[in-house]
Formats: sequence, structure tokens, C-alpha cells
Amino acid sequence: DAKTTQPPSMDCAEGRAANLPCNHSTISGNEYVYWYRQIHSQGPQYIIHGLKNNETNEMASLIITEDRKSSTLILPHATLRDTAVYYCIVRVRRDDKIIFGKGTRLHILP
Amino acid sequence: GAVVSQHPSRVICKSGTSVKIECRSLDFQATTMFWYRQFPKQSLMLMATSNEGSKATYEQGVEKDKFLINHASLTLSTLTVTSAHPEDSSFYICSARDGGAEAFFGQGTRLTVV
Repeated sequence: DAKTTQPPSMDCAEGRAANLPCNHSTISGNEYVYWYRQIHSQGPQYIIHGLKNNETNEMASLIITEDRKSSTLILPHATLRDTAVYYCIVRVRRDDKIIFGKGTRLHILP
Repeated sequence: GAVVSQHPSRVICKSGTSVKIECRSLDFQATTMFWYRQFPKQSLMLMATSNEGSKATYEQGVEKDKFLINHASLTLSTLTVTSAHPEDSSFYICSARDGGAEAFFGQGTRLTVV
């Protein structure tokens, strides 16, 4: 079973920041927060991951609350190509499996 | 990131026949590969995990005699859907891990059984 809760869908205007929330209240101390996205009819794409510190890469930023019970993925300047389903997953970094929940369907509006 | 390639990207087969899907890691050695299935409007469902040179481990409810997985080399895993039926029509996705933490996904294979 997925250990995260995400809103089923969100809208964001093109050019604005998209903030996607994720609740993971039962996260363990050795579990990382991972984000993937799946554009329609493609395989999932890794975005970013973190343990407890905020992380940033060329795609996005990840903000993790101090108690680690929730996080937010930020796409700083959303474009139409960011329309996808975004999955928040918690896992031990060297765990064998990646179990997907239902994710958030992000619509970027022109 | 590392590249995982699936072939074919789309396949149509007749009911009762078998179809093979290949998953290749192009620039790394995949000690572990995963196979997922995804129905329309649903999330990815893990079907099985395979380690090179050993038998695959299937998730509960997945018929191992119907979905044959072979991981004979460090760069290739195959999924064979045997005696396919229309309800097996789905999007099949593989993922490969190099022994490190990260897993990389193929582009998926759309199977249609007619």
C-alpha cells in the first residue's frame, strides 16, 4: 500500500509556480521522499528526492517539513509540458520496490 | 540519467497468442528489473521483480504462469504474456536498477489483444 496521500488533481497557470503537496505522516526515519512524474502514455520520470533537507535541481525544488510528515514539490515556472501525473513516494533508499499511489494529475492552463 | 528501452512500444495480438516485451538497460548493468502494468486512468501496479539469473518474484494476484519473466542477462529482461486475452490489454512498463538506489523506467509498451 502507498504510504502517501496526494490531492487527485490540481490546476496551475502557465508560467506560475506549481506547488504539489504530499502527506506522509507515517514516514520512518530512514525513508526518503521521492517524486516521479508520468506524462501521458510514457514511463515515469524521476524528478527529485530528499531525506530531511530541502533539495533543488534543474527540474524542481522539494520542501520537506521539519517533522517530515509532509512535503511540497515546486515547479518554479510551469509550462504546458509539465502536464502530467505526479507521484510522491516514500521508500528506503535501497529498497527493492517502488510502489506507486494514485498521484496528482497536474493540469497546466494556458 | 540512465536509459531503459522497451520494445515494442505498441503491439496488437490476437486472443490466445503469446506476446513478448523486451526491456533493455542501454548504458548500465541492471541487477534488478521490475515490471508494472497500468490500466487507463489508473496508477502503475507492480507485477514482479526479477534479479539477473534467478526466478522472478511475483506480487500477490499476478499469475506467474501467464506472465513469464526472464532476466537472463544484466541488460535484458523479457515479459511474455501467454495466451493473451482482451483483459490483458494494458500499458506495460519496465524499470531497471543498477544495484544502487535509483530505478529508471522504460517508455512503456501498449498491448492490445483483439
